[in-house]
Order: sequence, then C-alpha cells, then structure tokens
Amino acid sequence: EVQLVESGGGLVQPGGSLRLSCAASGFTFSSYEMNWVRQAPGKGLEWVSYISSSGSTIYYADSVKGRFTISRDNAKNSLYLQMNSLRAEDTAVYYCARDRMVRGVFEPGADYWGQGTLVTVSS
Amino acid sequence: DIQMTQSPSSVSASVGDRVTITCRASQGISSWLAWYQQKPGKAPKLLIYAASSLQSGVPSRFSGSGSGTDFTLTISSLQPEDFATYYCQQANSFPRTFGGGTKVEIK
Repeated sequence: EVQLVESGGGLVQPGGSLRLSCAASGFTFSSYEMNWVRQAPGKGLEWVSYISSSGSTIYYADSVKGRFTISRDNAKNSLYLQMNSLRAEDTAVYYCARDRMVRGVFEPGADYWGQGTLVTVSS
Repeated sequence: DIQMTQSPSSVSASVGDRVTITCRASQGISSWLAWYQQKPGKAPKLLIYAASSLQSGVPSRFSGSGSGTDFTLTISSLQPEDFATYYCQQANSFPRTFGGGTKVEIK
C-alpha cells in the first residue's frame, strides 16, 4: 500500500525555520517525481515545489523561491522541505504528493497525497 | 505563469443532478490537466488525469473533457458523497498552477 506521511510541522515565529519531512512507503520512491503543495486555512491549493526522481531537477513557486529548499534521500525513501525566513502567509497545511507515472512517464496528475502537516507562522 | 480559472466558484445541486465544472487556462496546455476532489480536513484525491482519463477506483459518473485552453469536469448523477470542493491543475509547465476551486453544495 502506497503511503506518504508528513511530519515536522508546528508553530514558528516569523523569520524562523522549519524542516518538513515526508516518509514514503509501498512503492519504489526513487522512480517517482514528487511535489509539495500547500493550503492556507480556508483557501485553495497552491503548488509549492517539485523534484525529479533523481533530485537533479527542481522547481519552486515564486512565493517561496529563495526561502524554501526541496530535497530527497532516495536511500531513506524520504522527501524534505527546508523552509527559512518564514512569513505569516506561509501558514498552511503542507502536503507531499506523488506524480502519477506509468513506466517512467509522467501522466499529468498527483495520484497519492499525504495527510498533511500544519505549519503556523505567528509571534 | 499559466493562470487557471474555474467556474462557477460554487454550485448548489441535488442528489441525482448533472453537474458541470469548467476550467480555463490562460494559454494552451494540450491535455496536461488534472482534476481533484477535496473534502474538509482531507487531502485532495485525484479524479481525472491527462484531461480525460479516469483514475483507478474513481466512479464512472465522473468524466473529464477538453484540450488546449478549455476543460470540463462532469458528474453525471450527483451522489451524497460527491459534495466537496473540486480543483483543476495544469501540469504543462512550472509553476503547476491550480484553479481557485469549485464547491459543490447540497441544494
């Protein structure tokens, strides 16, 4: 069974840092592209970042570029999001999501999501 | 960046109704579009990938159509468990933007 379990959320002051983790199981993690998506309270979904299966290709939303860093450890089946210089507007539930891939080819859609971890930025 | 515009933002419907949600991209995205369903307090669930392909396990009353800039999600006969918020997302280019969402409410 495919599982994605996020952790690392919590309350942090503005300007602070937090590192989110996403533990993957039930599939060959190293073969899949991964994403972070967030959702502010009462708001819609916002794509945050993408990382290729090898980690060699990375993209960010403009809203987090220069402050957030996505990474992965395929040996540990884990995805990470290092968040620095946090702002109040970063308050959200953060989800990790797996790209849908068939025989190594991306088919537009994220087919598995974690349960989310809440990040609250407040003084 | 590609902007995704969903309409309506909310719709009131009854069980058994046919519901159609529209998503428009600010530029052509071929079939690089996905539809998700989200219920309160839960993670999004993939319904449709590549604009018109039904994700495994999703009931056949859900269907997707369109290509280029205009896309549609149709629920042919609304069921009680379908009351939720629906989002489209383009995957043609980064950033992979989402539509603003459509809340399907009970009439």
